[in-house]
Order: sequence, then C-alpha cells, then structure tokens
Amino acid sequence: ELKVEQNPLFLSMQEGKNYTIYCNYSTTSDRLYWYRQDPGKSLESLFVLLSNGAVKQEGRLMASLDTKARLSTLHITAAVHDLSATYFCAVDSYTGTASKLTFGTGTRLQVTL
Amino acid sequence: DAGVIQSPRHEVTEMGQEVTLRCKPISGHDYLFWYRQTMMRGLELLIYFNNNVPIDDSGMPEDRFSAKMPNASFSTLKIQPSEPRDSAVYFCASRPLGGEQYFGPGTRLTVT
Repeated sequence: ELKVEQNPLFLSMQEGKNYTIYCNYSTTSDRLYWYRQDPGKSLESLFVLLSNGAVKQEGRLMASLDTKARLSTLHITAAVHDLSATYFCAVDSYTGTASKLTFGTGTRLQVTL
Repeated sequence: DAGVIQSPRHEVTEMGQEVTLRCKPISGHDYLFWYRQTMMRGLELLIYFNNNVPIDDSGMPEDRFSAKMPNASFSTLKIQPSEPRDSAVYFCASRPLGGEQYFGPGTRLTVT
C-alpha cells in the first residue's frame, strides 16, 4: 500500500524567510501533484510533476521531484502572508486498471509578519 | 467548463435522517472520487469510479454510506441514517486517466 508522508505538519514562518516542505512516498511512482487549500475552501492544484528531475516554479513556490529517492520538495522563497494555507502532496498510483492519488497529511503553513 | 459541481454546499440535518450529496464531474473525465475531510482524520478517500463503475470502496466507513454513478455526468453519495460523527466536508473530484485531478467546492455537512 502506497504511503505518503509530509513534513513538517505545521510550519510557522516569518515573512521574507525561506523554507522547504518535504514529501516522501513508499512505492515507485513518477507522477506527483501539489495542492493548496485555504481555510474553508477546496483544494486547488499548484503543480504537476510528471518525471524524475521535474521542476516547476510559480512565483515564490518551486516544486521538484526525485523519483529515485521517492521524494518531492516544495520550496518557499521569501515567504509572504498570502502563502498561508495548507499544502498537500499527492502521489499517483496506476495499477493498470485504475489510477488514484494518495494524499499526504498536509502541511499547514502560517506566515507571520 | 464550469469545473466539478457539488450540491448542496451546506447541509444541516438531524441524526437519523437520510442525506444525499450530489456531484457533476468535469465532462470527459474518466474518474470520479468522493473524499471526506475532518480535522481529526484529515482527507480520506471514500470511493472512486472509473467510467461509472465503482473501483474501490474500501474507504466507505460503514454500510450507512453508499455511492452511485448512474451516468458519466452524475454521482451521489448517500448516508442513511446519518449520525453526528458524519459531520465533515465532503469533496467530489474528477480527473482523466493519468491527468490532473480537480476538486469540487465541497459540501459541508452538519448532523445534529
């Protein structure tokens, strides 16, 4: 059974600082997704990583995927308050007849002034 | 496309009543998923369908929960009878095979 672990679970950051969220998973997969969820809202897709070494950037967020290490990172550069949200990674598992995403527990990010 | 559509957005009901949640996936998406989210248990996959056929319902908590997908554009999740511990936000999501998954806005269920 595929297991996906995120750390940290909670992250309090000061504005302007850099930090990284880690997503480890237990079985082979070359497709990984990052989502953002604001309080009281739905999950919004941030990044789709489809191969080993994939790197995607959007504003102050950059996501990367190392399929050999079974690790993805979400790096936050010079955090701003607007980035406060919960971030989830999700790993795709394809069995030949079905495909589903297994989500991590989420990392709640709080950016303080 | 309007995205994944869920109704109702909020539902308040009394214990013992039947609750039906509805979902319209994005047109052309092969897969439809039902999730439940609570503070205590996080995001849980309840059931998912491929081309209207249930593939995995191992996440359905009890026999009180049932889900159907009569056609490619509609799915329901029913709880009968409802209990206070069913209070949660229920999300529907859809995706094409190997593609990006899109979530609906969710239904916030409160059972008193």
